[in-house]
Amino acid sequence: DAKTTQPNSMESNEEEPVHLPCNHSTISGTDYIHWYRQLPSQGPEYVIHGLTSNVNNRMASLAIAEDRKSSTLILHRATLRDAAVYYCALAGGTSYGKLTFGQGTILTVHP
Amino acid sequence: NAGVTQTPKFQVLKTGQSMTLQCAQDMNHNSMYWYRQDPGMGLRLIYYSASEGTTDKGEVPNGYNVSRLNKREFSLRLESAAPSQTSVYFCASRWDRGLGETQYFGPGTRLLVL
Repeated sequence: DAKTTQPNSMESNEEEPVHLPCNHSTISGTDYIHWYRQLPSQGPEYVIHGLTSNVNNRMASLAIAEDRKSSTLILHRATLRDAAVYYCALAGGTSYGKLTFGQGTILTVHP
Repeated sequence: NAGVTQTPKFQVLKTGQSMTLQCAQDMNHNSMYWYRQDPGMGLRLIYYSASEGTTDKGEVPNGYNVSRLNKREFSLRLESAAPSQTSVYFCASRWDRGLGETQYFGPGTRLLVL
């Protein structure tokens, strides 16, 4: 299974944009790129996912490199409620959706 | 809708004891999953069920068994608990149209094996 690599931690100030990177150099052509976040003592929560094109939703944007070997989750204006562990994960399109998670990035948001 | 529910929320076992973690979803999803989360390790897939009546091993299946009781319920059993199975266990479900849909996670079961 393809692996993902993320920085251990990042910091941001409130109301500033945050760019969370993820490397997935061994990604296959059918792997979807997913992002989840996890608040303390809760289960992971879906943020966004994509295959090749950049994606936007009400929570965030996902920028996917042209060669698909990396991606960036963009939070346009960080709030204190965005402080969480953010996981980049891959899910094969033909593998029953099994997610392979990275180690996660701890995002700290300063007021 | 309750989404994905898990019981119990917290459990303490002694080495060698057995227990079953319960998971249920009310979203009519086809696929269900069990993950474990250890500090610094992210989430790792233990077992999954692509549809009612089928189960398959994930990355770390040793020491566990699963049962897909019906479309709603997917249980995880530890036959003889070991301290290495101390972890937080998450159940998840997914509709599955083969389009990379998201998984929905339960709140987790914290298990301590002494």
